[in-house]
Amino acid sequence: DAKTTQPTSMDCAEGRAANLPCNHSTISGNEYVYWYRQIHSQGPQYIIHGLKNNETNEMASLIITEDRKSSTLILPHATLRDTAVYYCIVRSARNAGGTSYGKLTFGQGTILTVHP
Amino acid sequence: GAGVSQSPSNKVTEKGKDVELRCDPISGHTALYWYRQSLGQGLEFLIYFQGNSAPDKSGLPSDRFSAERTGGSVSTLTIQRTQQEDSAVYLCASSLIGNEKLFFGSGTQLSVL
Repeated sequence: DAKTTQPTSMDCAEGRAANLPCNHSTISGNEYVYWYRQIHSQGPQYIIHGLKNNETNEMASLIITEDRKSSTLILPHATLRDTAVYYCIVRSARNAGGTSYGKLTFGQGTILTVHP
Repeated sequence: GAGVSQSPSNKVTEKGKDVELRCDPISGHTALYWYRQSLGQGLEFLIYFQGNSAPDKSGLPSDRFSAERTGGSVSTLTIQRTQQEDSAVYLCASSLIGNEKLFFGSGTQLSVL
């Protein structure tokens, strides 16, 4: 699976948008971009994923560049409870139909601190 | 069940002893992962069970570590002759194969004295 690069840490003011970048310049065509987060002392939590189109759900938006070499996770209105480690992961689908996936490998992630 | 259940939540053992950690995945989930997380570190992949296929054991750090999944449901991670460096939180996750969402348990905090 392609390697990802994320900033070690970021700060964000409560109520503002948090934009977390991720570089995955060696991503290949069948690899998806996933975002998870881990709040202190808890297991990781799925946020969102995408292949090449931008995605939005109730938690966040995922913006993937046209060349797919980087992406940004956007938390539109950060709250104190969004303080966590955010992991950007690239994961391959083993078949064209995307019904079989390789293992999910976590890197070091970005420590996001939301302050009042 | 409602979520991924792991037991025990805490385990303290003496160096050299064997330990077994249990994971009950969400009912119907055919993929199951084990990870460990040392204090202040990221998640380290250990093993991945995917339905009836052979498990991906590429993350197991040594032959002291083994895992099995019986009946496609409950999984047990066994660590033989524990060492102090085995101290960590051991996390289990499950998902439907072909589904991108992994659901994690709360983990087992293993302390080897």
